[in-house]
Amino acid sequence: GESVGLHLPTLSVQEGDNSIINCAYSNSASDYFIWYKQESGKGPQFIIDIRSNMDKRQGQRVTVLLNKTVKHLSLQIAATQPGDSAVYFCAESFGNFNKFYFGSGTKLNVKP
Amino acid sequence: DVKVTQSSRYLVKRTGEKVFLECVQDMDHENMFWYRQDPGLGLRLIYFSYDVKMKEKGDIPEGYSVSREKKERFSLILESASTNQTSMYLCASSGEGGHTEAFFGQGTRLTVV
Repeated sequence: GESVGLHLPTLSVQEGDNSIINCAYSNSASDYFIWYKQESGKGPQFIIDIRSNMDKRQGQRVTVLLNKTVKHLSLQIAATQPGDSAVYFCAESFGNFNKFYFGSGTKLNVKP
Repeated sequence: DVKVTQSSRYLVKRTGEKVFLECVQDMDHENMFWYRQDPGLGLRLIYFSYDVKMKEKGDIPEGYSVSREKKERFSLILESASTNQTSMYLCASSGEGGHTEAFFGQGTRLTVV
């Protein structure tokens, strides 16, 4: 992982719109990726994962896209709801111990 | 429901004190982790353990040590707390092998005065 600036990027969307949160990861050897959601005062919660042998994976209202060529990960949230307001982190890992490296996070703000 | 439980939500300690942060998981997981979280820096790995009595340094181990005497419990120790260790501390656990999610506790906000 790498440290980034002190300012947390913020994405503001209208309720009902689709959200796209982007993440650049650092290690070309990473073979497993997770998106986590962290609400205020809570620990991170798993949203969706993807292995490096895939380029897209869908869950309930969420889709993760992986572009290994440019080391880029994105999280798409369909029909964003107020309950989706949180900080979203991408995490990368490689090897057998699930040692994750986290990005600095993006704050999603959903306007009613 | 899977559970990772950290013993304290909030702690205030004095500079120079020895501080113990405790974490217990009930999922029989082999791997356990301690992260610290600071604004704008995401989560940074302090130490992890892949088995009882085994430990490996993460990215920022200086000033910390860990103990894993039982599979379900992983303790983070600040030998002599300093103000720059004021932070949110997050414990996590995951199953054996790769490609499995890590489950997090609710975090301990430590303030060193």
